[in-house]
Amino acid sequence: DADVTQTPRNRITKTGKRIMLECSQTKGHDRMYWYRQDPGLGLRLIYYSFDVKDINKGEISDGYSVSRQAQAKFSLSLESAIPNQTALYFCATSDPGSEQPQHFGDGTRLSIL
Amino acid sequence: AQSVSQHNHHVILSEAASLELGCNYSYGGTVNLFWYVQYPGQHLQLLLKYFSGDPLVKGIKGFEAEFIKSKFSFNLRKPSVQWSDTAEYFCAVNAPGRRALTFGSGTRLQVQP
Repeated sequence: DADVTQTPRNRITKTGKRIMLECSQTKGHDRMYWYRQDPGLGLRLIYYSFDVKDINKGEISDGYSVSRQAQAKFSLSLESAIPNQTALYFCATSDPGSEQPQHFGDGTRLSIL
Repeated sequence: AQSVSQHNHHVILSEAASLELGCNYSYGGTVNLFWYVQYPGQHLQLLLKYFSGDPLVKGIKGFEAEFIKSKFSFNLRKPSVQWSDTAEYFCAVNAPGRRALTFGSGTRLQVQP
């Protein structure tokens, strides 16, 4: 079983819809991250959380929100999706004491029409 | 603002050729440096990292990288590539005081048999 699981793996939706991407991890890590990947732009950090009560904005948090429901779960929401949020989204965790993502999920491919 | 530049967007090599992928960063302080790899259809994996000490860092799968502080560079190298090295490679930088990584835009490596 994967250590970092993202659901759904693929999603197609319409502009204006609310969408939630879920991430769960079995590694027992406190530190979790959400990134989006766009061709030619690499990975950009959306939000990160270093424990259940710690939520921080990343480079491109506008239009997104997150919820850290438990140590193992970190959800990303698009309140009102727009086409330029079409991307590949990755959740990741890092080992204790590390500020760098080391364990990535398989990604969620999101298309907004 | 901190940025990470990968000037080679797409590299095509034959098997057994030597590889060097460039990475430059603009941050003027002490940094931690990383290379990640993303094989087709897979999530990112950490290849190697540099925090301090010997500027020549060895990673998994025969990869190494050299930190040259005067050039603000952290180039990735492999003496002899294999077809299985076909992937996208991302450089990333983390400056002390910043709690998350900044990624470069990636270099797509295609190794021809």
